[in-house]
Amino acid sequence: DVKVTQSSRYLVKRTGEKVFLECVQDMDHENMFWYRQDPGLGLRLIYFSYDVKMKEKGDIPEGYSVSREKKERFSLILESASTNQTSMYLCASSLWAGSEYNEQFFGPGTRLTVL
Amino acid sequence: QKEVEQNSGPLSVPEGAIASLNCTYSDRGSQSFFWYRQYSGKSPELIMFIYSNGDKEDGRFTAQLNKASQYVSLLIRDSQPSDSATYLCAVMDQTGANNLFFGTGTRLTVIP
Repeated sequence: DVKVTQSSRYLVKRTGEKVFLECVQDMDHENMFWYRQDPGLGLRLIYFSYDVKMKEKGDIPEGYSVSREKKERFSLILESASTNQTSMYLCASSLWAGSEYNEQFFGPGTRLTVL
Repeated sequence: QKEVEQNSGPLSVPEGAIASLNCTYSDRGSQSFFWYRQYSGKSPELIMFIYSNGDKEDGRFTAQLNKASQYVSLLIRDSQPSDSATYLCAVMDQTGANNLFFGTGTRLTVIP
């Protein structure tokens, strides 16, 4: 059973703080993703990684960075949190990029509020 | 920018009826399509995927794909109140790491 876990379900931070969101998957998946989800805007890809130490920008990378030091772990970093980064953050993982279909398995999400 | 369009709803159907959810996409080269269900406050979970034209059935769910019209749909037969959720259509990007592009979702309410 695939399991993707995220470090926190709810998080409250102050403007300007550095924020770390952690994601761990236990299925030896190659790909990992960070999304944010906002009402009316759907899921938007922030960053993704298809291998250890590899990262690629998604559609909205500004204000974020990522780290993937180990295959199972993908971290999202908000260098200086701002109120417009208040959102639901979802991590996902999937098999290698060349597979015929590429189901993404999602973690439970972290609801981040920046005050 | 690849676009995936869904009617945001809400779509209300009575219990036992067929719910029909629709999705259009802009990238004609797209090959793989996914339907995710997301309950309020929860993360998305995959319920169907399809990559060939035509219908694919799984229990009460049928996915329909028409690549010529760039259209994919999800039918839910014998709708149950437990089907009340937001349904997300996703289209796979063929150009790189096979990322998914998501629509904004259709909110379905099944009325008992």
